[in-house]
Amino acid sequence: DAGVTQSPTHLIKTRGQQVTLRCSPKSGHDTVSWYQQALGQGPQFIFQYYEEEERQRGNFPDRFSGHQFPNYSSELNVNALLLGDSALYLCASSLTGGSGYGYTFGSGTRLTVV
Amino acid sequence: EDKVVQSPLSLVVHEGDTVTLNCSYEVTNFRSLLWYKQEKKAPTFLFMLTSSGIEKKSGRLSSILDKKELFSILNITATQTGDSAVYLCAVEGGNEKLTFGTGTRLTIIP
Repeated sequence: DAGVTQSPTHLIKTRGQQVTLRCSPKSGHDTVSWYQQALGQGPQFIFQYYEEEERQRGNFPDRFSGHQFPNYSSELNVNALLLGDSALYLCASSLTGGSGYGYTFGSGTRLTVV
Repeated sequence: EDKVVQSPLSLVVHEGDTVTLNCSYEVTNFRSLLWYKQEKKAPTFLFMLTSSGIEKKSGRLSSILDKKELFSILNITATQTGDSAVYLCAVEGGNEKLTFGTGTRLTIIP
């Protein structure tokens, strides 16, 4: 049973560049949420995708955008990277209408902006 | 806005000690409170609590929720070095998203 798969695992980018992170949800899940976890902090909600639409969004600038594909996989795009965007980016999949048991997290992408 | 506060931020104890981690919250349309253990990257699920006063147990770990006072505790007895990790508390509101606390970093000294 494949869990949540994220790629790449590590990434180094330069300030001002753009980055795309990818997430394949757990089989049977239809909702993907993205979180940013800065060093020493808890994960912060970026946005959530369901039925290929952004359903809700946290307090992040428009530089952060995403997409969900018909197979439920998702991408997170960040434009004009800042040093402060350096963090672990976690993807969590779930089934809409399910319980809290149903959140499955990927191992994350460690993004370093230099 | 939903809010979760965890305390202490860090804790260092000796192997065999018992620890209590705290989590207080404010959330619109509470659905559940979840505890996760994070060792390297992916948070791993420990407990989900929805009802007040019912203790959930798994081996040496246990957790209880007080919905009136809006807090939860996570207890770990007879700690082992493998318990060293960051413990995250999260609440799920009516909008089906998780709001996390900052986490408690637990270090067990052999």
